[in-house]
Amino acid sequence: GQQLNQSPQSMFIQEGEDVSMNCTSSSIFNTWLWYKQDPGEGPVLLIALYKAGELTSNGRLTAQFGITRKDSFLNISASIPSDVGIYFCAGQNTGNQFYFGTGTSLTVIP
Amino acid sequence: GAVVSQHPSRVICKSGTSVKIECRSLDFQATTMFWYRQFPKQSLMLMATSNEGSKATYEQGVEKDKFLINHASLTLSTLTVTSAHPEDSSFYICSARGTSGNEQFFGPGTRLTVL
Repeated sequence: GQQLNQSPQSMFIQEGEDVSMNCTSSSIFNTWLWYKQDPGEGPVLLIALYKAGELTSNGRLTAQFGITRKDSFLNISASIPSDVGIYFCAGQNTGNQFYFGTGTSLTVIP
Repeated sequence: GAVVSQHPSRVICKSGTSVKIECRSLDFQATTMFWYRQFPKQSLMLMATSNEGSKATYEQGVEKDKFLINHASLTLSTLTVTSAHPEDSSFYICSARGTSGNEQFFGPGTRLTVL
């Protein structure tokens, strides 16, 4: 199946720093979702975006649905150790098909 | 709300046997359920989409006779890995989408090891 391009692949940051990751696609999506996955567990939904240009926050997390509908970014402000994990973007296209990004592994150094 | 469970969480089986994995939406009705496979340090790969009461739609390259999917009710979908081989060993994750909204809610995953 299709995969979305997500970058960076991994990040090592100091506690307290801000984090930014993005996701791009060659095709248009109607919905963008951001998930976090801890080892050995299923992904947990962080933020859902439904409209081009939409900017949504959830605590220290902020995500935007790109105006072209082909990209999205996720920002995490003031990172803390429990932010460690793998972050995935996911997009749903006009055919209601749902695809995941390649993932960003985040390590927060105390 | 929006809790999805999976059973079993881990299973070890012998090569050639079949394994059934259950996915349940506990507090909502899921018209659509999805089955994913994830190898270590990789992303989730969609295997198939199942709609309640109809046949599953499989992604290209996924053998429908090997990965049998049944979505008999609005709260339960099952994935049966038939004649399992060691290369089928993976983390299988289901997700469910309710009747409103486009969010998918994921189960905790099932770790399958085929000896």
